[in-house]
Order: sequence, then structure tokens, then C-alpha cells
Amino acid sequence: GQQLNQSPQSMFIQEGEDVSMNCTSSSIFNTWLWYKQDPGEGPVLLIALYKAGELTSNGRLTAQFGITRKDSFLNISASIPSDVGIYFCAGRPTGTYKYIFGTGTRLKVLA
Amino acid sequence: GAGVSQSPSNKVTEKGKDVELRCDPISGHTALYWYRQSLGQGLEFLIYFQGNSAPDKSGLPSDRFSAERTGGSVSTLTIQRTQQEDSAVYLCASSLASGPPDEQYFGPGTRLTVT
Repeated sequence: GQQLNQSPQSMFIQEGEDVSMNCTSSSIFNTWLWYKQDPGEGPVLLIALYKAGELTSNGRLTAQFGITRKDSFLNISASIPSDVGIYFCAGRPTGTYKYIFGTGTRLKVLA
Repeated sequence: GAGVSQSPSNKVTEKGKDVELRCDPISGHTALYWYRQSLGQGLEFLIYFQGNSAPDKSGLPSDRFSAERTGGSVSTLTIQRTQQEDSAVYLCASSLASGPPDEQYFGPGTRLTVT
């Protein structure tokens, strides 16, 4: 079946550092979504990407839709303590309405 | 505007009992999804509703799981004869359409604990 690999699984960083995480798939995707989930909450949509090569920012967050359409990355610049949480990517393969979710990147920011 | 709401937020039930979980999608959203999230895991697709079309039930793990969506709005996920392995957070999401733009917006989830 289709697989989505997200890395890293977890990371500890110092406040002010930049963070990068990525997702790769075994098939071509039409859409990439990035979510953040806080404990006890549902995932909150951060960025949506619809075109290969698309680069989109949301404040300190920047995400790109890979040109091969099989990967995406999310960057967080100048991290702050409230960036702590689990970040999920989700991709929608061609010809389907279902999203496949990555296993998440758990981010911990050290003040 | 109001986001996706789910109830109850927490549910503790005894093994073998039936439970019903409710989802109120964002008004006007025609697509509705149910997912299951086990501790520390990603999201597992359960079922998808789109307008008046037949739902895609391909993700339901067993015939103890069922869901319905009345009037194209509220959805109920029912788990019969609950088992301990059913313990998880059940998330509902809705989207405006089934094609781009099709961002899914999630509710806060229902945390189900089967004792």
C-alpha cells in the first residue's frame, strides 16, 4: 500500500533555532497538508500545498511541495516555546480523496 | 465561524458496551471524515462521507464499527461490543469539497477508554 515516511520522529532544539522536517511518499501526491497537534487537541491546519514546486509561508512557517510530487518539507524559523507539539504531514494521492498521514514529528523546544 | 465540534470529549466505557460518538462538521462542508489515533501514532482513516454519495467504509476495522450521517450534516460513529483495543482518540474532520481546495479541518476529538 501507499506509504508516507515522516522524519525526524522527534527533535529537541534550542529556542531561536530553525527547524526542518520532511515527508516522502512512495507515490505521487496532488495535495500536501501540514498540521500541528497540541496535547488533547485535534490537528490544526498550518499550510496547504497544491502545486509541485509551490512554496508557501505562514508566519515563521514555510512549506514546499516537492517538484517530484513525492515529498514535502516544513521549516520553522526562529523557534519559540509555543512551537512545541506534534507536526503531521498529510498527502492526497492522485485519483483519491483520502489523505495519508505521516506518523508525526514531535518537537520540543528548550528555552 | 464555528469549527468542527465533537462530543463527548471523553468517554470511559466497559468492555462489551456500545458507544456513540458525535461529530458536527463546519456548516456547508460536504465532506466528512472519521479517523482513529492511537497513543503516539498517526491518523488511521476509518470512513468518508461526501454529500449524498454512498460512504467509503473501507477503513472500518471490523463490523462492530459503523457510522451514519444524517441530513448531510451531523455524523455518528458507533462502536458495538467495545474491546480494549478500541481505546483511542477518535477524530472527525470536514472539508468544503472532495477535490482541491480540500483542506480538512479537525474537531478536538473524543478520547475513548475501554476498561
